[in-house]
Amino acid sequence: GESVGLHLPTLSVQEGDNSIINCAYSNSASDYFIWYKQESGKGPQFIIDIRSNMDKRQGQRVTVLLNKTVKHLSLQIAATQPGDSAVYFCAVLNSGYSTLTFGKGTMLLVSP
Amino acid sequence: DVKVTQSSRYLVKRTGEKVFLECVQDMDHENMFWYRQDPGLGLRLIYFSYDVKMKEKGDIPEGYSVSREKKERFSLILESASTNQTSMYLCASTLWTGGSGNTIYFGEGSWLTVV
Repeated sequence: GESVGLHLPTLSVQEGDNSIINCAYSNSASDYFIWYKQESGKGPQFIIDIRSNMDKRQGQRVTVLLNKTVKHLSLQIAATQPGDSAVYFCAVLNSGYSTLTFGKGTMLLVSP
Repeated sequence: DVKVTQSSRYLVKRTGEKVFLECVQDMDHENMFWYRQDPGLGLRLIYFSYDVKMKEKGDIPEGYSVSREKKERFSLILESASTNQTSMYLCASTLWTGGSGNTIYFGEGSWLTVV
C-alpha cells in the first residue's frame, strides 16, 4: 500500500519569509496529490492539488511542486503570514480507489 | 460551497457505551469517509462508502461499524466504546471519481472522550 511521510514535524518561520513544506510518497503509480491546512480545533481544509501529469501548480501565494522521479511533493507558501500558522498535510490518492493516504503533518509556526 | 456537517463536536462517553457519530453532506457526493486523527499518527481511514448501503473497510476498522441508509448521511458506530477510541473523528465526502481524483472535503471533527 501507499505510505506518505513528512520530512519535518515542525517548521518555524518569520512573517514575510517563504515557507517550504515537504512530503514523500512510496507508490510510483500514485497520480493525484492534495495539500490540506488544518487549524487548531478544525477539520482539514483543501489548499491546492496537483495531478501526476504536472510538475508545478500555483495558487494564491501557494505553489505545489511534484517530482515523480524521487516521489517527492512540496508546498511553498510565499510571504508567510501569522494566519498561515497551522498543520499542513499532504495526501496521496490510492490508485484504484477514491481514498487518500495522509502524511503525519508539519506544524507551521509563523512569528511576527 | 460544499458543507460536511458533523452534528456532535464534543462527546464524553463511558466505556462500554454505544456511540453514534453522525455526518451529513449537502452536495450529493457518492463517496463518504470516516477518519480518526491522533497525535503523531495523522489521519487514519476507518471506513468508507461508495454508495447507499455500501461500505468498505479502511485501515483500522476494528471496533467500528458504519451505516449509510441515505446518500447524504454516513454514521460511524462504536458498538462498545473503549478508552483507546478516545480521538478526534473526521468525516469527509467527495464525488465519485472513477479513480481520477477529486477533492475530498472534511467536516469540522468530533472530539470523543471515552472514560
